[in-house]
Amino acid sequence: EPEVTQTPSHQVTQMGQEVILRCVPISNHLYFYWYRQILGQKVEFLVSFYNNEISEKSEIFDDQFSVERPDGSNFTLKIRSTKLEDSAMYFCASTAGYEQYFGPGTRLTVT
Amino acid sequence: GESVGLHLPTLSVQEGDNSIINCAYSNSASDYFIWYKQESGKGPQFIIDIRSNMDKRQGQRVTVLLNKTVKHLSLQIAATQPGDSAVYFCAEKASGNQGGKLIFGQGTELSVKP
Repeated sequence: EPEVTQTPSHQVTQMGQEVILRCVPISNHLYFYWYRQILGQKVEFLVSFYNNEISEKSEIFDDQFSVERPDGSNFTLKIRSTKLEDSAMYFCASTAGYEQYFGPGTRLTVT
Repeated sequence: GESVGLHLPTLSVQEGDNSIINCAYSNSASDYFIWYKQESGKGPQFIIDIRSNMDKRQGQRVTVLLNKTVKHLSLQIAATQPGDSAVYFCAEKASGNQGGKLIFGQGTELSVKP
């Protein structure tokens, strides 16, 4: 069964450093998303991407964040200058229409 | 503002019993709802969904009920098993865009006692 994959599973970085989180959505899906989950809290929407552009973003998704679909399979989230409060699980999701399928997540730890 | 919340943060049931997890939503414009299961250290796993033109949908051992009058969603799990132990989230999507974002509730932790 096709699934969303994410790499790395765990990323440790120092405050101020740039990180790139990678995702491979399900191949025939058209909509792509990044969500995050701070430990013990609910899942929060960051950004959605459709037709090679951002379709919606939350207030969390400020100028430090960017997304890219560099080729036909990868979907990336870049954080330019990480802050301590960016520590969270980051989930990529994709859908062909309604039900969104989530990847296993990348645990980002900012020290 | 829009919000999705859960009535009970934890639920403990005996193996073999039925479980009911509840969720309240506040955005009456939402047209699509999903239940996810999240095991420790993993991503949300799709369980079942329902559109706003329905009030009940059944899957394998799971049933979702939607009451638009009181803006309430529930997930029923029949014959709960230890493997059902996880955190369950409801999520809603506003109408007008089939690819729109999901708004998640806080989650209910289901614990199944053998």
